[in-house]
Amino acid sequence: DAGVIQSPRHEVTEMGQEVTLRCKPISGHNSLFWYRQTMMRGLELLIYFNNNVPIDDSGMPEDRFSAKMPNASFSTLKIQPSEPRDSAVYFCASSRDSSNQPQHFGDGTRLSIL
Amino acid sequence: GDSVTQMEGPVTLSEEAFLTINCTYTATGYPSLFWYVQYPGEGLQLLLKATKADDKGSNKGFEATYRKETTSFHLEKGSVQVSDSAVYFCALSDSGGYQKVTFGTGTKLQVIP
Repeated sequence: DAGVIQSPRHEVTEMGQEVTLRCKPISGHNSLFWYRQTMMRGLELLIYFNNNVPIDDSGMPEDRFSAKMPNASFSTLKIQPSEPRDSAVYFCASSRDSSNQPQHFGDGTRLSIL
Repeated sequence: GDSVTQMEGPVTLSEEAFLTINCTYTATGYPSLFWYVQYPGEGLQLLLKATKADDKGSNKGFEATYRKETTSFHLEKGSVQVSDSAVYFCALSDSGGYQKVTFGTGTKLQVIP
């Protein structure tokens, strides 16, 4: 089975530009999570979806961040406009809908905002 | 709310040494407990899990026992290898609500030959 697929793997852009990160969850998983990882703050949950519906977006840092899940096989995380402090590794994860099921992580997108 | 506390790193061990990484948790209900491992440049991977009290999760020589009385889930391995060098995350998933996981801050392990 294919794992969680994220694209791009690396993104370097200038501040003020729009950034779009993409995620394809594992087929059959109905929960999807976006995380941000930095040295200073560790792993932070930004938002999670269940059955394509956003359930908790309290971790989204500001209005510059938005996430969508138009269908069960695709999600995007968008930053507009981007700022240097958004530089981090962004992970997408998916899981089946049960508390004893683990999350499966993609390899992440390393984002650098200059 | 739910929380996970794990020991500060980095932990540096010689090859074949015994490893313990402590993890304690706070949760309502009956959570499932997990250990994830993150190798450099990769996402987190499930290492092992336990879903009820006294369960022992094991994988690749690592073990952890779900101790409800001490609210702990310590990770152990009898003989570490250089290839075990990674960051280890303890996590819980509460039994209620959607499948949201609370992660610890991670413990970096470095094994030297």
